[in-house]
Amino acid sequence: DAGVTQSPTHLIKTRGQQVTLRCSPKSGHDTVSWYQQALGQGPQFIFQYYEEEERQRGNFPDRFSGHQFPNYSSELNVNALLLGDSALYLCASSLWHLQGNIYGYTFGSGTRLTVV
Amino acid sequence: AQRVTQPEKLLSVFKGAPVELKCNYSYSGSPELFWYVQYSRQRLQLLLRHISRESIKGFTADLNKGETSFHLKKPFAQEEDSAMYYCALRGSSYKLIFGSGTRLLVRP
Repeated sequence: DAGVTQSPTHLIKTRGQQVTLRCSPKSGHDTVSWYQQALGQGPQFIFQYYEEEERQRGNFPDRFSGHQFPNYSSELNVNALLLGDSALYLCASSLWHLQGNIYGYTFGSGTRLTVV
Repeated sequence: AQRVTQPEKLLSVFKGAPVELKCNYSYSGSPELFWYVQYSRQRLQLLLRHISRESIKGFTADLNKGETSFHLKKPFAQEEDSAMYYCALRGSSYKLIFGSGTRLLVRP
């Protein structure tokens, strides 16, 4: 079991561009959450997807959007990139009906996005 | 407002010394509190949670609702304990709110 897989591992984009990050959840998981971790900070919740719908959203602008596919994989899209969007983006997967089980919450290694 | 505060960015101790990583939280209801650890070049992983009152790798943490704290403690630090430690809170919405983390450096 490969666990949560994120791609790419590193990415460099220019200010104003758009970026798409990808996440494959752990086998058997149906819920994907995205977090942004800026340098020197803890992860911040962006949003969560289940049944191809956004179920919860953190305090992030509309430039951040996502999608979940029928196979439960997910994409995070960021439009009009700003220098401040440079961060490690983490994906975490879980089972929707077992959200109370913290042990079922698995993080990926992340995608490091650098905006120049 | 829901918030987790870890006042120390870096904690450096010698091997065998006691360790206490501080965590304070702000939450109006009854939160679930957790400690996550990230070893060098590894993924973020759950260390322990307040509900189970367990000891993992010699670490313990007690929830003090009066002081709204959830400090992580270990009586004798080991070099392999060197890592980033994040305190996290989970409310009714199931999203995790993390602190900014404390880097623990255990010197030989």
